[in-house]
Order: sequence, then C-alpha cells, then structure tokens
Amino acid sequence: GENVEQHPSTLSVQEGDSAVIKCTYSDSASNYFPWYKQELGKGPQLIIDIRSNVGEKKDQRIAVTLNKTAKHFSLHITETQPEDSAVYFCAAWMDSSYKLIFGSGTRLLVRP
Amino acid sequence: KAGVTQTPRYLIKTRGQQVTLSCSPISGHRSVSWYQQTPGQGLQFLFEYFSETQRNKGNFPGRFSGRQFSNSRSEMNVSTLELGDSALYLCASSKTGTDTGELFFGEGSRLTVL
Repeated sequence: GENVEQHPSTLSVQEGDSAVIKCTYSDSASNYFPWYKQELGKGPQLIIDIRSNVGEKKDQRIAVTLNKTAKHFSLHITETQPEDSAVYFCAAWMDSSYKLIFGSGTRLLVRP
Repeated sequence: KAGVTQTPRYLIKTRGQQVTLSCSPISGHRSVSWYQQTPGQGLQFLFEYFSETQRNKGNFPGRFSGRQFSNSRSEMNVSTLELGDSALYLCASSKTGTDTGELFFGEGSRLTVL
C-alpha cells in the first residue's frame, strides 16, 4: 500500500554539526517529494522540495537527495543552528492514489 | 497577505458529540486539504477539495466529512466523536492542488474528546 517511512524519529546534534533525515516510499510512480518543518504551535512550512527528474537540490544549508531506483530520499542540514530545532516531515506524492502522503516526522534538537 | 485561518483553535467535546472545523484559505487558492496529526503518526490525509469538489479522500471512516464553499472556505465535520479522534486537525491551501506545489498550512484546530 501507499506508505512513507521516515527515520530517525528523534535526532539530537551539536550546533554546527550536520543532520540527516531519511525517507523511503512505496509507490514507484511518485514524482514529487517535499519536506516540511513544523515549529512548536505552528503549522508545517515547506522548506525544500524535489521532483523525480532531479537527483539533488540545494538551498543554502539545506539539501535534498533522491534515489528513485532505491525509492528513498534524504534531507541534509549542514552547520545546524538552534533555530533548526523543530519537527521535520518528508512527503511523497502518490501518483497511484493521487494523494500526498507524509512520513511520521523527525524531531530534531540542536544543542547549543 | 493573510495566511490560512483555522477556527476554532481549541475545543473540547465529549464522546458521541459532533464537531465542525472551519478553514479559510489564502485568497486565490482553490485547493483545501485536511490532515489529522497525532503523536507518532505524522500527518494523516483526510481529504482534498478543489473548486467545491472533493478530489480525493483518505482512509478515514464515514464519520469524517467535509465540504468546500464557492469562496473556497472549507469545513470538516466529525460526527459521533470517539476518544481516538483527539488530535490536531490541520488545513492546508494551495493554488492548484497537493500534487503540484507548496501547501500553506494553518496553525490547526486542537480537538480533545473526553
């Protein structure tokens, strides 16, 4: 069935270190993969997205990589800062069911 | 420009009651989708509306329903509330739909069922 698995569920890093969050998806026809950041008490906000015709995309300290063969994609945050602390959700557009399916989220804590 | 507005922000109901949640999308956005957020479960898709038509729905029982009005505002209704319905309900709007680009989320309506 349609599924997006996200790991780890929690991640604690020292300020300045890198953080990596990984997701796998089930629908081989998926072609759109956004990442959302949710701060406490707020709704999720898009931070970066990638489409299946691209293997990697960068935006300052944030990058996303996509491996369509293995059906997984990852979020990379470099030089982490305390304000990066939040819950991060990956998502995949399921062409088979016409739905955007989210992962279960990763709580990132950046220790000063 | 105003963001997505959800009302009410917090509400407490008892089992068996029903609840209606409202979502006002960003002006010009025709798509409104609803998600249920619970700890450890992420965001579970409820349904999406586009120009007053339900485009798709998730795997929720028929007690969960929704609609969209001609001004793109949307409501969702949950009847015969159960304890397990306690969650944060998030609404998101977009210009053209969940398949083509950024979703703009509201801050959610937190429902507690006692």
